[in-house]
Amino acid sequence: EDQVTQSPEALRLQEGESSSLNCSYTVSGLRGLFWYRQDPGKGPEFLFTLYSAGEEKEKERLKATLTKKESFLHITAPKPEDSATYLCAVRGAGNMLTFGGGTRLMVKP
Amino acid sequence: NAGVTQTPKFQVLKTGQSMTLQCAQDMNHNSMYWYRQDPGMGLRLIYYSASEGTTDKGEVPNGYNVSRLNKREFSLRLESAAPSQTSVYFCASSEVSVAEAFFGQGTRLTVV
Repeated sequence: EDQVTQSPEALRLQEGESSSLNCSYTVSGLRGLFWYRQDPGKGPEFLFTLYSAGEEKEKERLKATLTKKESFLHITAPKPEDSATYLCAVRGAGNMLTFGGGTRLMVKP
Repeated sequence: NAGVTQTPKFQVLKTGQSMTLQCAQDMNHNSMYWYRQDPGMGLRLIYYSASEGTTDKGEVPNGYNVSRLNKREFSLRLESAAPSQTSVYFCASSEVSVAEAFFGQGTRLTVV
């Protein structure tokens, strides 16, 4: 059974204070690791897909990295508008997306 | 470009009532999904359709049925609603079953 664990559950940062979110996973035959952003009352918004260990993707202040056991979402010099819940998901050999519980990020000005 | 559209956005049901949640996508995607999201439980897959004409159970299918009406539309039916089905329901679609999924805005369902 595929499993995804995200930590921390909640993270408070000051504007400009860089940090990382963790996504640990166990999956049979990784066919993709996905990061999403979810704002309150909205559906998840796709950010990145990573397929193999060592791969990295960047978008504005966000950078996602992947190892064989975990993925990190690095946030550099965050702004208040980066406040959201960040979700990690894996797709294994069964082709279903399995989500973690998310990290709720709050960035204060 | 609307993406994935869900209706209704909000619904209150009485225990035992039935209803159908509608989902349509305009991205010509082959695969469609229904998830529910509950506090502390994350997103859990109810049913999915890898392609038109096929449907499969996900992690939490009990109490639900689905219909892949055509390539665009995938509906979720609650035959006899229970308070445990109070949740936020999300429909999603992807080009193929291995690609990233795109989500609708959700349906907030309360069963009293």
